[in-house]
Amino acid sequence: GAGVSQSPRYKVAKRGQDVALRCDPISGHVSLFWYQQALGQGPEFLTYFQNEAQLDKSGLPSDRFFAERPEGSVSTLKIQRTQQEDSAVYLCASSLDSSGYNEQFFGPGTRLTVL
Amino acid sequence: AQSVTQLGSHVSVSEGALVLLRCNYSSSVPPYLFWYVQYPNQGLQLLLKYTSAATLVKGINGFEAEFKKSETSFHLTKPSAHMSDAAEYFCAVSDLNRDDKIIFGKGTRLHILP
Repeated sequence: GAGVSQSPRYKVAKRGQDVALRCDPISGHVSLFWYQQALGQGPEFLTYFQNEAQLDKSGLPSDRFFAERPEGSVSTLKIQRTQQEDSAVYLCASSLDSSGYNEQFFGPGTRLTVL
Repeated sequence: AQSVTQLGSHVSVSEGALVLLRCNYSSSVPPYLFWYVQYPNQGLQLLLKYTSAATLVKGINGFEAEFKKSETSFHLTKPSAHMSDAAEYFCAVSDLNRDDKIIFGKGTRLHILP
């Protein structure tokens, strides 16, 4: 079935490199979320889009993190000048809309390792 | 602010035994509560959810959880553990009045002993 897909699944970066992580939500889903899951921890909220509008970016850990969803579908999470503490699994989730309860469907994640 | 506390980062039970994973929440508004399961190298899968209807919620794979407001708890149970239940389990809370973001606990890894 057509679930949430993320690419790449694994990314190794040298410290200081820029990376871009892609999320393809379920078609027609209005809401899109990014979470960061460090090793041995639960996922932590990074940012949220409703269509192309970024309504909440309170979870982004620094100004090196930037997310966009220009056409209200695919989203990209960009991390500039990566640091070792950025190593984590980055999860994307989408939901039908934001009115009332709508289940968030999660992608498999991108595992980022910064050397 | 909302938060979730999962008691025990690792829980081991014998196959066929009762599974009990503990979760306590903190929320200033009526919460929506969830349990997610994560198998190795896979994404999060929703097991069950509480959205202010019945306090006893039944989910997939024989799991259920009971919302107890007086105890601020949402413990996950399964009467008889199966080897395939070995995974990481996350309790989570959401405030639908504020953009649906989910606040996760740190997770409990469930080990099933043969």
